[in-house]
Amino acid sequence: EDQVTQSPEALRLQEGESSSLNCSYTVSGLRGLFWYRQDPGKGPEFLFTLYSAGEEKEKERLKATLTKKESFLHITAPKPEDSATYLCAVQAGSNYQLIWGAGTKLIIKP
Amino acid sequence: DAGVTQSPTHLIKTRGQHVTLRCSPISGHKSVSWYQQVLGQGPQFIFQYYEKEERGRGNFPDRFSARQFPNYSSELNVNALLLGDSALYLCASSLASGSEGYTFGSGTRLTVV
Repeated sequence: EDQVTQSPEALRLQEGESSSLNCSYTVSGLRGLFWYRQDPGKGPEFLFTLYSAGEEKEKERLKATLTKKESFLHITAPKPEDSATYLCAVQAGSNYQLIWGAGTKLIIKP
Repeated sequence: DAGVTQSPTHLIKTRGQHVTLRCSPISGHKSVSWYQQVLGQGPQFIFQYYEKEERGRGNFPDRFSARQFPNYSSELNVNALLLGDSALYLCASSLASGSEGYTFGSGTRLTVV
C-alpha cells in the first residue's frame, strides 16, 4: 500500500535556526513528490514538485531534495512568517490522486 | 488571475441533511479534484474529474458524489450527513494530469451537528 510519513510532527525553532523536515514514502512507480505549505484555515499552497532521485529545487529560504526513499525540505535562516504546516504528497503509478503525509507543524519564534 | 474559488466558505448542517459544495477552477484548467481534510491530518482524496469524466475515486462511501460541468466547474454532494463528515473540503485544479502541481482553493469548512 502506498504510504507517506512525515517527521517530526512539530518543530519549534528560533528565528535564524536552520533545520530540515523529512518525508519518507513507500510507493510503486513514483511520478512526482510535492511539497505544500498550509496556513491555518487555508488550502495548501504549492511549493515544489520533484520527479526523480537526485533532483533539488530552491525557493527563497526553502530547498527540497529527493532520494529513492525520502525527501527533505531544508529551511535556512527561517523567519517567523515561515511558520506553517508543511505537507508532503506523492503521485504514483497510474493514479492521478495525491497521497499525503500528515504534515509537520513548523513554529519559528522571533 | 482568479485562483481556485470555493463556496460557501463555511457551512453548518444537521445530521442526515444533504450538502452541495462548489468549486471553480483556474481558467484553462480542465481537471478538478476534491479532498477531505480532518483537523491535524493530511488531505484524503475523494474524486478527480477531467473533461467532465470521473478519473479517480477515493475510498469514500456512496453518500459522496460529484460532477463536473462543461465550464469545468464542479460540485461535491454529500447525502445523509454524519458527524464524522465534519472537515475542511478542498478543491484543487490542474491543467491535466496534475504532475505539474495542483492549485488549491481555500476550502469549505463543513460542520455537522
